[in-house]
Amino acid sequence: KAGVTQTPRYLIKTRGQQVTLSCSPISGHRSVSWYQQTPGQGLQFLFEYFSETQRNKGNFPGRFSGRQFSNSRSEMNVSTLELGDSALYLCASSLVERGEQFFGPGTRLTVL
Amino acid sequence: AQSVTQLGSHVSVSEGALVLLRCNYSSSVPPYLFWYVQYPNQGLQLLLKYTSAATLVKGINGFEAEFKKSETSFHLTKPSAHMSDAAEYFCAVSEEAGSYQLTFGKGTKLSVIP
Repeated sequence: KAGVTQTPRYLIKTRGQQVTLSCSPISGHRSVSWYQQTPGQGLQFLFEYFSETQRNKGNFPGRFSGRQFSNSRSEMNVSTLELGDSALYLCASSLVERGEQFFGPGTRLTVL
Repeated sequence: AQSVTQLGSHVSVSEGALVLLRCNYSSSVPPYLFWYVQYPNQGLQLLLKYTSAATLVKGINGFEAEFKKSETSFHLTKPSAHMSDAAEYFCAVSEEAGSYQLTFGKGTKLSVIP
């Protein structure tokens, strides 16, 4: 079974731009969670989507948003990028809401 | 809210020596506890998990961890370090009873010296 895939793997943007990251979960998994990983703050939970609905949200500003499609694929969007948004963004999928998570390789976002 | 403290952001061991990575948690509910490993430029891989069954949990690659409720600890050990164990290790605790929504520790980077 294929694992979680994330595209693109690397991304460079400038301040003020917006960015969209994509995550394809393991086949059959219906929940997708997103995490931000930075050297200073570590791994922080962004949000979880299940059956196209946001179920849980971490403590991030409204510039961070996401969605999930009917095929369970998910996208997250960051608007008005700031330097501090530079991070590794990890996606994890699970079979059920708040279920055991399987992580993708991440998207490395650099904001200049 | 749950919290996780990993003692030591960097740990160095010699090849063949014991690996001990420390994790203490704070949880208001019976926790699920996890150890993940992350290799450079990769995502997280689950090493092992505790979900209220046996307190000594065996994982992949020879790692194991013991849940000690009285000490609120879940330390990760491996009897003999291998060069391939060099990576960053994260301890995590569930946010709610029976949930896999996780709060992570800051991570411990393990170096293995030949």
